[in-house]
Amino acid sequence: GAVVSQHPSWVICKSGTSVKIECRSLDFQATTMFWYRQFPKQSLMLMATSNEGSKATYEQGVEKDKFLINHASLTLSTLTVTSAHPEDSSFYICSRSGRAPDTQYFGPGTRLTVL
Amino acid sequence: GENVEQHPSTLSVQEGDSAVIKCTYSDSASNYFPWYKQELGKRPQLIIDIRSNVGEKKDQRIAVTLNKTAKHFSLHITETQPEDSAVYFCAASRDGNKLVFGAGTILRVKS
Repeated sequence: GAVVSQHPSWVICKSGTSVKIECRSLDFQATTMFWYRQFPKQSLMLMATSNEGSKATYEQGVEKDKFLINHASLTLSTLTVTSAHPEDSSFYICSRSGRAPDTQYFGPGTRLTVL
Repeated sequence: GENVEQHPSTLSVQEGDSAVIKCTYSDSASNYFPWYKQELGKRPQLIIDIRSNVGEKKDQRIAVTLNKTAKHFSLHITETQPEDSAVYFCAASRDGNKLVFGAGTILRVKS
């Protein structure tokens, strides 16, 4: 069964509003979780690495003030897209490592549409 | 940083035939190479992976081979079935750090 959940599965919002996406590790305490973005017909691009109890590590070109990541517990990481614009419309997917630290299991993704 | 190239971008095979997808990586220190299958609108599912201390790994109809010298690895699917149709991604990482993905291959299995 699924080991990572995400909520919501889809969201439509108006331009300028903020949207929060939750990622939960269901069976494993995850000190590290990852956030990816996937545009239509493209590959997964890592946005940031979420570290429990400390600041997230953002990939080059990803605005940390726009994509706020909070990893307050060992089972929950959140991504908040602030002041969303139509170009932020994408499929956002989180993942966590398994008992083998290099293995990653993905959540079901959140489809964000900004009008 | 790591760069992963994947070929072909699309692959059409007849049901029952084999399919091969190839990836090359740039960082010789990479030591973990997973393959993911993603159906439309769904999450990527890990289907097989290989670590750098192994040259080949097989799981039923799926196999992965790794050539560390040439820095390339391949996914082999035998006896393809229509349900194998999906997008397949290869990836590479080093020491449990971030995964770098290939661009993906759309596999179509025609019945």
